[in-house]
Amino acid sequence: DVKVTQSSRYLVKRTGEKVFLECVQDMDHENMFWYRQDPGLGLRLIYFSYDVKMKEKGDIPEGYSVSREKKERFSLILESASTNQTSMYLCASTGGGVYNEQFFGPGTRLTVL
Amino acid sequence: AQSVTQLGSHVSVSEGALVLLRCNYSSSVPPYLFWYVQYPNQGLQLLLKYTSAATLVKGINGFEAEFKKSETSFHLTKPSAHMSDAAEYFCAVRISGSARQLTFGSGTQLTVLP
Repeated sequence: DVKVTQSSRYLVKRTGEKVFLECVQDMDHENMFWYRQDPGLGLRLIYFSYDVKMKEKGDIPEGYSVSREKKERFSLILESASTNQTSMYLCASTGGGVYNEQFFGPGTRLTVL
Repeated sequence: AQSVTQLGSHVSVSEGALVLLRCNYSSSVPPYLFWYVQYPNQGLQLLLKYTSAATLVKGINGFEAEFKKSETSFHLTKPSAHMSDAAEYFCAVRISGSARQLTFGSGTQLTVLP
């Protein structure tokens, strides 16, 4: 059974803290994604990676960075968390091919106080 | 830029009634379209996808969607709603020329009334 796992389901941090969100997939997928999900806004792409050590900005990269040192792992970093980064964060992965769907992790609900 | 619009952020139906969730896309080239479902406190799960092999696509849990190029639509339907269908549904389009990114609609929350 294919799987995308995220390191935490719920996380509470303070303003200014550095936050790491980890995502691991076991499907040998080249492409990995980080989204944030907010009510009424759907999913918005933060960053994605199509290969190890490669990254591209999505629609809302400000305040975030990413790291992909190994093919199966994609990390999202909030260098200095702010209250407006309180959200649900979803990781996804996909192989090559235009018909291939993205597989999603369970999400991390981050609260920044 | 390609986009999808989901009409109706909230839809309520009675158990046993028809479910119709609307999705319209904007694309100058043939799109690749997907419907996902999200149950409370979970990630997204694929319901079905349009691969151009057939305009009527059948998915899991009795859902289906019809691709209508003339209407630029890909509406999701289910003949008879079940309580377990209560969830949020997202339509998504793959950006042509890229095998990577999806653009998601804003979602439709489906409530099933007993």
